Amino acid sequence: EDQVTQSPEALRLQEGESSSLNCSYTVSGLRGLFWYRQDPGKGPEFLFTLYSAGEEKEKERLKATLTKKESFLHITAPKPEDSATYLCAVQVQGGSEKLVFGKGTKLTVNP
Amino acid sequence: GAGVSQSPSNKVTEKGKDVELRCDPISGHTALYWYRQSLGQGLEFLIYFQGNSAPDKSGLPSDRFSAERTGGSVSTLTIQRTQQEDSAVYLCASSFWGLGEQYFGPGTRLTVT
Repeated sequence: EDQVTQSPEALRLQEGESSSLNCSYTVSGLRGLFWYRQDPGKGPEFLFTLYSAGEEKEKERLKATLTKKESFLHITAPKPEDSATYLCAVQVQGGSEKLVFGKGTKLTVNP
Repeated sequence: GAGVSQSPSNKVTEKGKDVELRCDPISGHTALYWYRQSLGQGLEFLIYFQGNSAPDKSGLPSDRFSAERTGGSVSTLTIQRTQQEDSAVYLCASSFWGLGEQYFGPGTRLTVT
């Protein structure tokens, strides 16, 4: 069974304190790995897609990386507006186009 | 351009009633998905439409759930004889040809009393 596990469940940082969120996955074959940001009461907002091990994507203070078993979302010098739940999802080769999601990491950045 | 829209944003219904949730995908997107997000749970896949192909219904939790997509655009998710465990946020997403990123709507929060 395809599985996605995110850790930690919750993370509190001080403004400017860099850290990383982890997404580990077990799938029969990876078509793509996706990172989303979700604010309370809103739908997930697309951040990145990664397709192969070694790939990296960056956007402002966020950088996503991918290995054969996991992905990391690095947050550099976070600001309070980066507070949100970050979701990781995978799309599996040879199957439906559905996304399989982890339960997310709730990030709080204190000023 | 306009994103994915969903209506209503909130729906409160009594146990046993039927409800219909609507999704308008991004114009030009051929693939449409429904997911469910329950408190403390991750997003759970429900159903997937791609063009004129038969939908992937593998995620529907029971035969009380059904969905249709008319004219390759708007979709309606119907839940018959609602139960309290159906209470959740129902999210719709669309993508171009089912590959790559999916773009989500704001969701419909369903509460069954």
